[in-house]
Amino acid sequence: DGGITQSPKYLFRKEGQNVTLSCEQNLNHDAMYWYRQDPGQGLRLIYYSQIVNDFQKGDIAEGYSVSREKKESFPLTVTSAQKNPTAFYLCASSTSHDSSYNEQFFGPGTRLTVL
Amino acid sequence: DQQVKQNSPSLSVQEGRISILNCDYTNSMFDYFLWYKKYPAEGPTFLISISSIKDKNEDGRFTVFLNKSAKHLSLHIVPSQPGDSAVYFCAARNRDDKIIFGKGTRLHILP
Repeated sequence: DGGITQSPKYLFRKEGQNVTLSCEQNLNHDAMYWYRQDPGQGLRLIYYSQIVNDFQKGDIAEGYSVSREKKESFPLTVTSAQKNPTAFYLCASSTSHDSSYNEQFFGPGTRLTVL
Repeated sequence: DQQVKQNSPSLSVQEGRISILNCDYTNSMFDYFLWYKKYPAEGPTFLISISSIKDKNEDGRFTVFLNKSAKHLSLHIVPSQPGDSAVYFCAARNRDDKIIFGKGTRLHILP
């Protein structure tokens, strides 16, 4: 079945450690996105990538890094520089930005807790 | 600066009645609007969308209305069902294809 997978669903890390969240899609989508959701904050864009080997910062990129070496994969690294890393992280993908609309398909999310 | 605003954090509606979720936006350059539904600990799922050149789009129990002059859109769910209890996000697409989300409205369907 086509879709987006994020693993693991729950992740615990000690303060000061970097952690990488995985996101894989087999929808053949060009664009991929990372959001974080905090209570009362809705979804905020961290990074997005419209094509392989290219990505742009979103609204809250500080303390995060990404790579897009393959079309199917868009891993997010939460670095120790991120001041408030505990959150629910959502990955999404969509067809090319040339499409007539831009419906995004979301993964199930990863809840990261930094202790 | 919030470009997409959902001013009601929560809404309670009796089962069988109409649910109306509202959304306001500030950027007149948005060309496409979407509604997403989200259950706890899950990713949002796409519900319905509307192009800025239209004023209404209907899909089963869900209808989205767009009032461009007022920069306002609304999602109507009728009749409301228990499974509709979720958080609903309004979202808009801007010219560089980024989707901007509102903060969400939690809908409670009462028995």
